Amino acid sequence: GENVEQHPSTLSVQEGDSAVIKCTYSDSASNYFPWYKQELGKRPQLIIDIRSNVGEKKDQRIAVTLNKTAKHFSLHITETQPEDSAVYFCAASLETSGSRLTFGEGTQLTVNP
Amino acid sequence: NAGVTQTPKFQVLKTGQSMTLQCAQDMNHNSMYWYRQDPGMGLRLIYYSASEGTTDKGEVPNGYNVSRLNKREFSLRLESAAPSQTSVYFCASILSGSRQETQYFGPGTRLLVL
Repeated sequence: GENVEQHPSTLSVQEGDSAVIKCTYSDSASNYFPWYKQELGKRPQLIIDIRSNVGEKKDQRIAVTLNKTAKHFSLHITETQPEDSAVYFCAASLETSGSRLTFGEGTQLTVNP
Repeated sequence: NAGVTQTPKFQVLKTGQSMTLQCAQDMNHNSMYWYRQDPGMGLRLIYYSASEGTTDKGEVPNGYNVSRLNKREFSLRLESAAPSQTSVYFCASILSGSRQETQYFGPGTRLLVL
């Protein structure tokens, strides 16, 4: 089955700096890679996703890059703000009916004012 | 449109007790999932239902059973709770096959087994 590894497990940055979280996956057939943000005590919520036919996707201060050859993808947050503080999860799946997401173990991002 | 709802929000059980966690979605999604979340371990899939009438084991199914009651509802049952099942349980749903594979999560059920 798929295995997703996520690094780092904790990340602390100063407000305004950039943050980068990296994930690797094992199954070369995986073709869908979402990122979720989970605030303390809340449910995970999708913030951005990318499919294997695209190398990079950007949404305002958030971007995701995908390297299918190396089987890794990364989340980039620019101009970080205190409200970006949360746990971020990457995931991978084969996009078919009843697809199963395999999640990384999460990164606790802290943005210091 | 309530999205994905879960009941109860919080539950305390004694070892050996049984309970059912309820999940419902009103988005006409065909696939539903149950996860558990433990500190530092991300989200692990317990069971899922690709469509009404089907269920399959996920990564950590031992000690659990599920029922896909209809298209809207997917329940998770603990027959004899153990302290190792203390966790936060999330239900999720997805409209599979639509190229909109975003999983929508419920608010979670916090379970403490003493």
